[in-house]
Amino acid sequence: GESVGLHLPTLSVQEGDNSIINCAYSNSASDYFIWYKQESGKGPQFIIDIRSNMDKRQGQRVTVLLNKTVKHLSLQIAATQPGDSAVYFCAENRGLTGGGNKLTFGTGTQLKVEL
Amino acid sequence: EPEVTQTPSHQVTQMGQEVILRCVPISNHLYFYWYRQILGQKVEFLVSFYNNEISEKSEIFDDQFSVERPDGSNFTLKIRSTKLEDSAMYFCASSELTGAGEQYFGPGTRLTVT
Repeated sequence: GESVGLHLPTLSVQEGDNSIINCAYSNSASDYFIWYKQESGKGPQFIIDIRSNMDKRQGQRVTVLLNKTVKHLSLQIAATQPGDSAVYFCAENRGLTGGGNKLTFGTGTQLKVEL
Repeated sequence: EPEVTQTPSHQVTQMGQEVILRCVPISNHLYFYWYRQILGQKVEFLVSFYNNEISEKSEIFDDQFSVERPDGSNFTLKIRSTKLEDSAMYFCASSELTGAGEQYFGPGTRLTVT
């Protein structure tokens, strides 16, 4: 069956270091991916998205890389700050191919930033 | 910045009771969603809603669930007869566009069924 999953449940980094959070997906028809950040007690917050016709997209301090060959997605956070501590989810949406508008979420990675 | 709001933040109910969870989506958004997150698990899609009708629903969204847009601002999720396994965080989301468009999530309602 299709799935969107994460490699590591917890990632600890030192403040100022770069963070890399990984995600694997199994449905080769997936064509749109989103990273969400969820802080304790809050709803998911959009970080960045990428379409399947791209392999890299940059935002402010964040970069998403997409490798369709191995069905792998990563989120890179530059100069990680204490405020980046949260759970990060990748999510899939097959909207571009008419798959509707539901998001399929991965399990989540807890990012802990150590001072 | 506009945001999705949800009420109540926490709802405790007894098994078998009906609950209504309320959401106010962002005002110019046309597509509305409900998701749930059981403690420690991933966020799961329940239903999407557009033009006053359900556009897609998951297998979780059985006959015990219903959604409604009773007026121009509110979007509700009703669970007719709650079960223990309905205990979860319920998130409402909205978007301007369907498909590959950013969905904005509310803060969630924690539903506890005892």
